[in-house]
Amino acid sequence: KAGVTQTPRYLIKTRGQQVTLSCSPISGHRSVSWYQQTPGQGLQFLFEYFSETQRNKGNFPGRFSGRQFSNSRSEMNVSTLELGDSALYLCASSLITGSYEQYFGPGTRLTVT
Amino acid sequence: AQSVTQLDSQVPVFEEAPVELRCNYSSSVSVYLFWYVQYPNQGLQLLLKYLSGSTLVKGINGFEAEFNKSQTSFHLRKPSVHISDTAEYFCAVSDVQGAQKLVFGQGTRLTINP
Repeated sequence: KAGVTQTPRYLIKTRGQQVTLSCSPISGHRSVSWYQQTPGQGLQFLFEYFSETQRNKGNFPGRFSGRQFSNSRSEMNVSTLELGDSALYLCASSLITGSYEQYFGPGTRLTVT
Repeated sequence: AQSVTQLDSQVPVFEEAPVELRCNYSSSVSVYLFWYVQYPNQGLQLLLKYLSGSTLVKGINGFEAEFNKSQTSFHLRKPSVHISDTAEYFCAVSDVQGAQKLVFGQGTRLTINP
């Protein structure tokens, strides 16, 4: 069974631009969570989607948004990029919400210049 | 709210030596506990988890961890490490009430010297 895939793997954007990252969960998994990883703040939860509905949200500004499609694929969007948004963005999928195991993708490395 | 403290940011050990990576957590509710490993330029891989039952949990690659409720700790151990264990290790908790959110510690970089 294929793992969690994230595209693109690497991205370079300029301040003020917006970006969309994509995540395809493991087949049959219906919950997708997003995390931001930076050297300073570590791993932080962004949000979780289950059955196309956002179920949980972390403490991030409204510039960070996401959505989930009927096939469970998810996208996250960051508008008006700031230098501090440079990070590794990780997507994780699990069978159901409240699941005990989350399977992580390789991440998208976003660099904002 | 939960918080996780990994007491060592870096741990250097020699190959075939034992290792312990320390993790303490704080929470006002019951939690599930996890250890993840991250190899360079990769995502996170689940090593082991504690949900309930036996406080000694065995995971992949010869790792194990012990849940100590009174000390709110979940330390990770391996009796004999290999060069391939060089990676960053993250302790994490989640709320048993069902929130999907994982709260992570800052990570411990394990370096194995030959």
